[in-house]
Amino acid sequence: DSGVTQTPKHLITATGQRVTLRCSPRSGDLSVYWYQQSLDQGLQFLIQYYNGEERAKGNILERFSAQQFPDLHSELNLSSLELGDSALYFCASSALAGGITDTQYFGPGTRLTVL
Amino acid sequence: GNSVTQMEGPVTLSEEAFLTINCTYTATGYPSLFWYVQYPGEGLQLLLKATKADDKGSNKGFEATYRKETTSFHLEKGSVQVSDSAVYFCALSSRRSNDYKLSFGAGTTVTVRA
Repeated sequence: DSGVTQTPKHLITATGQRVTLRCSPRSGDLSVYWYQQSLDQGLQFLIQYYNGEERAKGNILERFSAQQFPDLHSELNLSSLELGDSALYFCASSALAGGITDTQYFGPGTRLTVL
Repeated sequence: GNSVTQMEGPVTLSEEAFLTINCTYTATGYPSLFWYVQYPGEGLQLLLKATKADDKGSNKGFEATYRKETTSFHLEKGSVQVSDSAVYFCALSSRRSNDYKLSFGAGTTVTVRA
């Protein structure tokens, strides 16, 4: 158990809908990262938040957004869902903003299925 | 940009066999290197890491050495068990920029048969 929690574990929805994925980092960690794992794209970095502020952005679609709250939990919002958004979404947390000693620990993931 | 290339699977082995998964990288600056493992139905777990050239990461009988001259970080285990069946991901984090996202390889599926 990494200490990172994600809810829900599974999510099934329809095209055009909007969903929110939630992540609670390990106790004391200030950074939260979101990754998408799909069969065709592999594991792709989406976005990082550090202590409530956006730190780095990756291959995140404009239909997707995220935020980190004062209690450091994070939410990833996916809107206007398409079939291709079906994937496993991972959250990871680390103690700092990054650095050679800063290790990312992953949650169990949320499996999103868009029908 | 940063990229990781790892050997394609799937790899099927018998118990007690030797396992090697090749991983090479391209990166700006001096990256940190990682191996993560994903067991069936679970999330990613950090297996081992190395942060500078010639460092050896080790955990649970697995080892990998950071080779700057060959830009490689190959994963090895001398005697695998059925419980080692999983998908293994090589990853790097660039040290030079302010962006410490992980760049992952495609993953190698390993199946160990009793």
